[in-house]
Amino acid sequence: GQQVMQIPQYQHVQEGEDFTTYCNSSTTLSNIQWYKQRPGGHPVFLIQLVKSGEVKKQKRLTFQFGEAKKNSSLHITATQTTDVGTYFCAGFFGNEKLTFGTGTRLTIIP
Amino acid sequence: ETGVTQSPTHLIKTRGQQVTLRCSSQSGHNTVSWYQQALGQGPQFIFQYYREEENGRGNFPPRFSGLQFPNYSSELNVNALELDDSALYLCASSLRQAGGNTIYFGEGSWLTVV
Repeated sequence: GQQVMQIPQYQHVQEGEDFTTYCNSSTTLSNIQWYKQRPGGHPVFLIQLVKSGEVKKQKRLTFQFGEAKKNSSLHITATQTTDVGTYFCAGFFGNEKLTFGTGTRLTIIP
Repeated sequence: ETGVTQSPTHLIKTRGQQVTLRCSSQSGHNTVSWYQQALGQGPQFIFQYYREEENGRGNFPPRFSGLQFPNYSSELNVNALELDDSALYLCASSLRQAGGNTIYFGEGSWLTVV
């Protein structure tokens, strides 16, 4: 079946360090989206990537979509305490079903 | 604020009972999807409605059913509740467009089955 895996499952970093989460799909994605979910909250849309090899930046966040459209990454530079949460990638496989990854839970050590 | 509202925010039900969760979509959005998020896991797609018709379904049994109304609000109904149905239920509205949809999630309904 269509699956989206993320690594690592957990990441603990010192404030100011960088953070990266990786997303891999079993099959080609039509596009991929990234979400952030704070503890006790709901997923909040961050960005959507559509094109092969696409790179987008939002302040300290850099998102990449692989050339084969099967993998993606989110990189945060110089983490801050406000970055705490679980980051999910989610992909469309050409249908209307958005398949979420397993998520990476980020904690920041002040 | 996403413009997507869900009710109730929290509820407790007994095994075997039925529950109805409600969602009001963002204005202008014609597509609504429902997701189940168990503790510590990612959201799992239940089904989607587009213009009042079911438009895709995940791996959930028939006791999970839904409706979308002409004003694009939506309901999720779960019959014969089981303990494993305890989860956060998320409604997401979107406007179908070329290149993919931007999806807006509501704050969810926390269901506990005892």
